[in-house]
Amino acid sequence: EPEVTQTPSHQVTQMGQEVILRCVPISNHLYFYWYRQILGQKVEFLVSFYNNEISEKSEIFDDQFSVERPDGSNFTLKIRSTKLEDSAMYFCASSDGGAGTDTQYFGPGTRLTVL
Amino acid sequence: AQSVAQPEDQVNVAEGNPLTVKCTYSVSGNPYLFWYVQYPNRGLQFLLKYITGDNLVKGSYGFEAEFNKSQTSFHLKKPSALVSDSALYFCAVRDPTSGTYKYIFGTGTRLKVLA
Repeated sequence: EPEVTQTPSHQVTQMGQEVILRCVPISNHLYFYWYRQILGQKVEFLVSFYNNEISEKSEIFDDQFSVERPDGSNFTLKIRSTKLEDSAMYFCASSDGGAGTDTQYFGPGTRLTVL
Repeated sequence: AQSVAQPEDQVNVAEGNPLTVKCTYSVSGNPYLFWYVQYPNRGLQFLLKYITGDNLVKGSYGFEAEFNKSQTSFHLKKPSALVSDSALYFCAVRDPTSGTYKYIFGTGTRLKVLA
């Protein structure tokens, strides 16, 4: 069964450093998403991406964040200058098309720890 | 504003007994509702969804959920719990009239099935 994969599983970084979280969505999917979950809190939407551009972003997704689909398979989330409060589990998700009833399938997550 | 509530942080049930994990929602239109399960060190796995039609939805691993519009609820149920069902369960909602594809998640309910 196709799965969303994410690397690395755990990333530790110093405050102010740049990090790139990587995701490989399910191969025939067209919509891509990032969510995050701060420890003990809700899973929160960050951004959605379709047709090589951001289709929606939340208030959390400020200028420090960016997303990219650098090739036909990867989808990345970059945090330019990490803050302590960026420590969270980051989930990538994908869905197959614009029917609107599509299910989002999630990856296993990347745990980001900012020291 | 859209929101989801999972009123119980943890539910304990004996193996073989029926289980219920509660979810209530608030959206302006007719919601799309989802249940996901998270096992340790794994991503969010899709269990089932309600889009339209029959209020009782059947999903993976013997789970089902009942959509109740008057009570704005979408409780997850299983007739006979297994120890292997122990995990973290998330309810999510999408408002199709909002023009957004993002999911709003509840805070999660930890299910413990006791042998």
